[in-house]
Amino acid sequence: LAKTTQPISMDSYEGQEVNITCSHNNIATNDYITWYQQFPSQGPRFIIQGYKTKVTNEVASLFIPADRKSSTLSLPRVSLSDTAVYYCLVGERNQGGKLIFGQGTELSVKP
Amino acid sequence: DAGVIQSPRHEVTEMGQEVTLRCKPISGHNSLFWYRQTMMRGLELLIYFNNNVPIDDSGMPEDRFSAKMPNASFSTLKIQPSEPRDSAVYFCASSLAAPGGRTEAFFGQGTRLTVV
Repeated sequence: LAKTTQPISMDSYEGQEVNITCSHNNIATNDYITWYQQFPSQGPRFIIQGYKTKVTNEVASLFIPADRKSSTLSLPRVSLSDTAVYYCLVGERNQGGKLIFGQGTELSVKP
Repeated sequence: DAGVIQSPRHEVTEMGQEVTLRCKPISGHNSLFWYRQTMMRGLELLIYFNNNVPIDDSGMPEDRFSAKMPNASFSTLKIQPSEPRDSAVYFCASSLAAPGGRTEAFFGQGTRLTVV
């Protein structure tokens, strides 16, 4: 499974847009990019998944360049409740959900 | 659906005792995963099942750990004997692996295990 690298921590303020970039230089042709969010004392929760270009849902957007060696999770107008750890994962879409979590990015949103 | 249900939520036990963690996956899901989370090692995949069959247990730390899935609606993770270094939050997750479909794993609330 491709290894991912993302910043350990990020700070932001309420109302700002937050972009978290993840590097995955060894991504394979069949791999998808998936982001999970984890609040303290809770299990991770799926946010978004994509293969290339741009994916948007009600929570976030995912930008993937043509070479797919990196991806950026974009959270529009964050609030205090977006304070969490965000994980970038790379793997086959239909591998039964086997997930290998890296260190994640601890996002702290301040008032 | 109530989601993935884990029990107990908290467990405190003495070193050397047997510990059994329980998980009820989401109905209809065909894959089940056990993870362990610590500050030092982050989230680690211990074992996962597909259609009740263990597929990959390479993450199980040692023989003291064992997991079973006797049917599609129940799984256990057992530690015998337990050691202080087993203290962690243990998560169970389930997913539905459909051909060509997105695989999203749903996690339970976790069991916080403390071995003293």
